[in-house]
Amino acid sequence: GNSVTQMEGPVTLSEEAFLTINCTYTATGYPSLFWYVQYPGEGLQLLLKATKADDKGSNKGFEATYRKETTSFHLEKGSVQVSDSAVYFCALSPDTGRRALTFGSGTRLQVQP
Amino acid sequence: GAGVSQTPSNKVTEKGKYVELRCDPISGHTALYWYRQSLGQGPEFLIYFQGTGAADDSGLPNDRFFAVRPEGSVSTLKIQRTERGDSAVYLCASSSTGGDSPLHFGNGTRLTVT
Repeated sequence: GNSVTQMEGPVTLSEEAFLTINCTYTATGYPSLFWYVQYPGEGLQLLLKATKADDKGSNKGFEATYRKETTSFHLEKGSVQVSDSAVYFCALSPDTGRRALTFGSGTRLQVQP
Repeated sequence: GAGVSQTPSNKVTEKGKYVELRCDPISGHTALYWYRQSLGQGPEFLIYFQGTGAADDSGLPNDRFFAVRPEGSVSTLKIQRTERGDSAVYLCASSSTGGDSPLHFGNGTRLTVT
């Protein structure tokens, strides 16, 4: 079946540090890949997505590249801010017509000033 | 505009009781999803509606769980004979058409079964 594996948190960084959150997936075919973010006290919201191999999703300074050869979709940001502190979820949507997202377990990011 | 609204935000119930959780999606969104999130885990799919019909209910864990969306807008998730293992945050999300259109999540209902 489909699955998503994320690096465990919490990840603690100083402001302006470089961020990488690893995500690998298992799926048949060509799934779409997503990063969702949950800020404190708020609902999950879409951060970025990529729908085919070698696509790069980007938003708010975050980027992730769909790597089919390594089945990965790592999230990166060059310079984090305190306001980026949140829980980040990697997710996939299979290409089988089933619409349900499969989520990873989430990675908590804490950015210290 | 208004986002996805879930009520109540918190629900405490005794083992064996019946509970209903409500979701008001964004107006005009035809697709509606229910997920369950246990502590330290990512959301786990329960059921997906397209309009009034359940297009995919393969995530419902057993027949104690049931969901309806009679008019294609508000949805209710119903849990019979609750068990302590049902304790979790129940998330609702809607999207404009389903498919790869982004999901808009509510803040969830935290259910605690004592």
